[in-house]
Amino acid sequence: GAGVSQSPSNKVTEKGKDVELRCDPISGHTALYWYRQSLGQGLEFLIYFQGNSAPDKSGLPSDRFSAERTGGSVSTLTIQRTQQEDSAVYLCASSATGTGYYEQYFGPGTRLTVT
Amino acid sequence: DAKTTQPPSMDCAEGRAANLPCNHSTISGNEYVYWYRQIHSQGPQYIIHGLKNNETNEMASLIITEDRKSSTLILPHATLRDTAVYYCIVSGSGNTGKLIFGQGTTLQVKP
Repeated sequence: GAGVSQSPSNKVTEKGKDVELRCDPISGHTALYWYRQSLGQGLEFLIYFQGNSAPDKSGLPSDRFSAERTGGSVSTLTIQRTQQEDSAVYLCASSATGTGYYEQYFGPGTRLTVT
Repeated sequence: DAKTTQPPSMDCAEGRAANLPCNHSTISGNEYVYWYRQIHSQGPQYIIHGLKNNETNEMASLIITEDRKSSTLILPHATLRDTAVYYCIVSGSGNTGKLIFGQGTTLQVKP
């Protein structure tokens, strides 16, 4: 079946602009995660959604970052007033549940470059 | 911070077994050991996980020591396509399933 998809695959934006990154999880997966991978920081957790529960936002680096998940499916990560340090690959993952006992399936990522 | 320690890099000859070690001395009773790998320019891929018993699937075997303070991922017959960064992660139900990645081990499989 279809895996996790993300769009766009690449995004170049100017400093100060807002960007939206989209994630389509595997159908039926209730848990959705956002991570980012940058050269200096490795892979880091950003935010987690599980069903209708309040999201775990503990990994968001600043209030310029926000995410929502509509209808329990598609998720959008928004970065406002982008900075050069936001340049990274943003990865989305989904799993059957959020209990930690099920593997996470990752998308191919969105490469964000802030100029 | 990651709860695991891995060697930064390893080499393995094609066709031979690759044994990747991981230390997780502070693991708690309800935490699982997960292994993921990331092939260049791709998203991470799940390999295997275990609690305290050894596990095997079509990709690999996971050997966990009796005290659970360390584990070894075994790729029985490494191929060039297994060249990747391998991450050992400890995660439990209290962590909402989020994965805390360390630096991982870069495995280079050589012909």
